[in-house]
Amino acid sequence: DAGVTQSPTHLIKTRGQQVTLRCSPKSGHDTVSWYQQALGQGPQFIFQYYEEEERQRGNFPDRFSGHQFPNYSSELNVNALLLGDSALYLCASTPRPGRQETQYFGPGTRLLVL
Amino acid sequence: AQSVAQPEDQVNVAEGNPLTVKCTYSVSGNPYLFWYVQYPNRGLQFLLKYITGDNLVKGSYGFEAEFNKSQTSFHLKKPSALVSDSALYFCAVRVSGGSYIPTFGRGTSLIVHP
Repeated sequence: DAGVTQSPTHLIKTRGQQVTLRCSPKSGHDTVSWYQQALGQGPQFIFQYYEEEERQRGNFPDRFSGHQFPNYSSELNVNALLLGDSALYLCASTPRPGRQETQYFGPGTRLLVL
Repeated sequence: AQSVAQPEDQVNVAEGNPLTVKCTYSVSGNPYLFWYVQYPNRGLQFLLKYITGDNLVKGSYGFEAEFNKSQTSFHLKKPSALVSDSALYFCAVRVSGGSYIPTFGRGTSLIVHP
């Protein structure tokens, strides 16, 4: 039973570029959330996708956008990269979008913006 | 608004001794509380959660946590620490009503000395 997978594992970009990160949820899960974890900080919620729609959004600018595909996998897109976007980006999945659900996290994608 | 505080950046304990990692929270409504562990260059792994019922929650790897409503705390404990428990620990809270965006603490680094 594959857990949550993310690609790529590491990425280096320059300011102003655009980046796409990918996530495949755990088998049987249809809800995907994305988090940004800056160095020395806890994860911060970016948004959640369920039934191919953005359901909840944290305090992130519109430069951060996403998509969910019919197979429940998801992408996180960040436009006009800033140095402050350097972080570990985590994807988490749950069987459904409820508050009580345990989230299963992927290993993350480490993004460095130069 | 909801918030989580992990007052200790680092906790040091000798192997075989009991350990406690502290977490306090603030929410409007009933909290759902979670503990996760993060090993270097890895995503977060679920340890345990409190939703309702018994205030003492038992989780993975011998960890437990006690929900204390009057002190708004959810401290993580283990009777006998192992060197392999050394990692970063995160407390998270969701509220039972309204937005279910989770809030994570900044994390506590647990170091278990042989």
